[in-house]
Amino acid sequence: GENVEQHPSTLSVQEGDSAVIKCTYSDSASNYFPWYKQELGKRPQLIIDIRSNVGEKKDQRIAVTLNKTAKHFSLHITETQPEDSAVYFCAASRQAGTALIFGKGTTLSVSS
Amino acid sequence: NAGVMQNPRHLVRRRGQEARLRCSPMKGHSHVYWYRQLPEEGLKFMVYLQKENIIDESGMPKERFSAEFPKEGPSILRIQQVVRGDSAAYFCASSPLAGGDNEQFFGPGTRLTVL
Repeated sequence: GENVEQHPSTLSVQEGDSAVIKCTYSDSASNYFPWYKQELGKRPQLIIDIRSNVGEKKDQRIAVTLNKTAKHFSLHITETQPEDSAVYFCAASRQAGTALIFGKGTTLSVSS
Repeated sequence: NAGVMQNPRHLVRRRGQEARLRCSPMKGHSHVYWYRQLPEEGLKFMVYLQKENIIDESGMPKERFSAEFPKEGPSILRIQQVVRGDSAAYFCASSPLAGGDNEQFFGPGTRLTVL
């Protein structure tokens, strides 16, 4: 089955710096890759996703890149702010209507 | 449009009791997924259901756990004879139609504590 590895497990940056979180997946049939942000005690919230027919997607300060050949995808946050502090999870799935397989999460701390 | 609803938000049970967790998907969503999150860990898939059907239960423990999504009413995750290791946050998510958008929207979770 699918296995998703996520690095780093913790990341500390200064406000205004960029943050990059990387994930690799094992199942070449996976074609949907969402990123979720989870604040302490809250639900995971989708912040951006990418499908396998696209190499990059941007939404304001957040971008995701996908390399299907190498089976890895990354989350990029620019101009980080203290409110970006949270746990970020990457996930992969084969197709619509199937389970998401999550990485173990990255705790991002942005200090002002 | 109300989001995914889960209740109770917090549930305390003693070892050996039963736990029932409820999930109402977003309006118009017919697919429900249950995930378990242990402290300081990621989310682990448990089961995927459509109305009156279990589609994928590959992540469910073989014993004590069961799930249903009846024609009417919420999806229910049932844990019989709970043990301390069942203490976790249980999230459900819903999505619209298979074959289309796979975006899954998560509920607020039920935090189960087993004493």
